[in-house]
Amino acid sequence: QKEVEQDPGPLSVPEGAIVSLNCTYSNSAFQYFMWYRQYSRKGPELLMYTYSSGNKEDGRFTAQVDKSSKYISLFIRDSQPSDSATYLCASRSNDYKLSFGAGTTVTVRA
Amino acid sequence: NAGVTQTPKFQVLKTGQSMTLQCAQDMNHEYMSWYRQDPGMGLRLIHYSVGAGITDQGEVPNGYNVSRSTTEDFPLRLLSAAPSQTSVYFCASSYSGQMNEKLFFGSGTQLSVL
Repeated sequence: QKEVEQDPGPLSVPEGAIVSLNCTYSNSAFQYFMWYRQYSRKGPELLMYTYSSGNKEDGRFTAQVDKSSKYISLFIRDSQPSDSATYLCASRSNDYKLSFGAGTTVTVRA
Repeated sequence: NAGVTQTPKFQVLKTGQSMTLQCAQDMNHEYMSWYRQDPGMGLRLIHYSVGAGITDQGEVPNGYNVSRSTTEDFPLRLLSAAPSQTSVYFCASSYSGQMNEKLFFGSGTQLSVL
């Protein structure tokens, strides 16, 4: 069983909708939580990261972590066609190994 | 600034052949790593290095070798390719590998083993 589980989707939404992405994790030692965005045929790029529990907002993107339920979320408001990509959640404890979810493919329809 | 450069972009091998996937970074990063990406499995860590001369295994190291003779380069060797190694391979680096650091990824190598 993977340490980070993520529904691979795919997810298709109309432009302007709110996109909600979720992951669960099993390792209680995880402290840092990240979201990477990957466009087709490209390498992943860091979108956001949070430490421990709480919310973090960056423009149209909000990341949430609930350590009590081991739940990670990413919300995209006012979604745009340029947001169409695969979104990967990732977590790590205090070592050098970053564990990724399977990725959710999102399509925003114009 | 080139960032993380991977070569080749595409490769087709026959079962049993060997090859080396190249990775180079020009950001003076100490931490470098190799991942493979398969449908439904996400990115899985193969090997990583925290500096020249230091390497360690990740989640799926079997069938792969690495070495780190310089800060800039971190090649991944397939000694005897198998169809199960058909995947997209990504090299990634960060300054020191600490928890809050951003990983910089290359653009990937798509490998098919027949």
